[in-house]
Amino acid sequence: SAVISQKPSRDICQRGTSLTIQCQVDSQVTMMFWYRQQPGQSLTLIATANQGSEATYESGFVIDKFPISRPNLTFSTLTVSNMSPEDSSIYLCSVEEYTGGGQYFGPGTRLTVT
Amino acid sequence: EDQVTQSPEALRLQEGESSSLNCSYTVSGLRGLFWYRQDPGKGPEFLFTLYSAGEEKEKERLKATLTKKESFLHITAPKPEDSATYLCAVVGFGNEKLTFGTGTRLTIIP
Repeated sequence: SAVISQKPSRDICQRGTSLTIQCQVDSQVTMMFWYRQQPGQSLTLIATANQGSEATYESGFVIDKFPISRPNLTFSTLTVSNMSPEDSSIYLCSVEEYTGGGQYFGPGTRLTVT
Repeated sequence: EDQVTQSPEALRLQEGESSSLNCSYTVSGLRGLFWYRQDPGKGPEFLFTLYSAGEEKEKERLKATLTKKESFLHITAPKPEDSATYLCAVVGFGNEKLTFGTGTRLTIIP
């Protein structure tokens, strides 16, 4: 299974600022995913990031708010821009498990916006 | 559109009291059904993948089963360390996106 790390593990940010979350995988993967998990809720997919192409965003999420970079096959970043308290969530990256369609998840970044 | 419904939302059991969690799903062509465990403030931990009706997987006190409409996660003689939220997700053929249920929050009381 893939080993995934995220930085930072948690942060407290001021309204109106931006935070970039890093996701590092210990092996090369084609697809990486970014999720948001609001308090007490399940996981919501933000976007799918393939290396060498623009990220594909889900309904309700836009590139200006959540720009994503995918510079190589082991790394991706998600930026949460112009933050508001409603952005307080856990942000998770994941990679596809190579045979069955499942995904392995990173430990998450807990973001609190004040 | 793929859909996943988990029940119950929350379950409290005494240590050693066995029970089952349910995951009902609707998907056009099941590629895989997945069970995850999530501890508070952490990312989901992969538990099982099931591919076809009749399949079963076991790991310690957990056993996952699959039919054409639902999956069960059976917990036998649970311990307090089994307390967590258990998430179910599906993916259909031709689709790389996971659809998650809302989870069952399991509490095991010593």
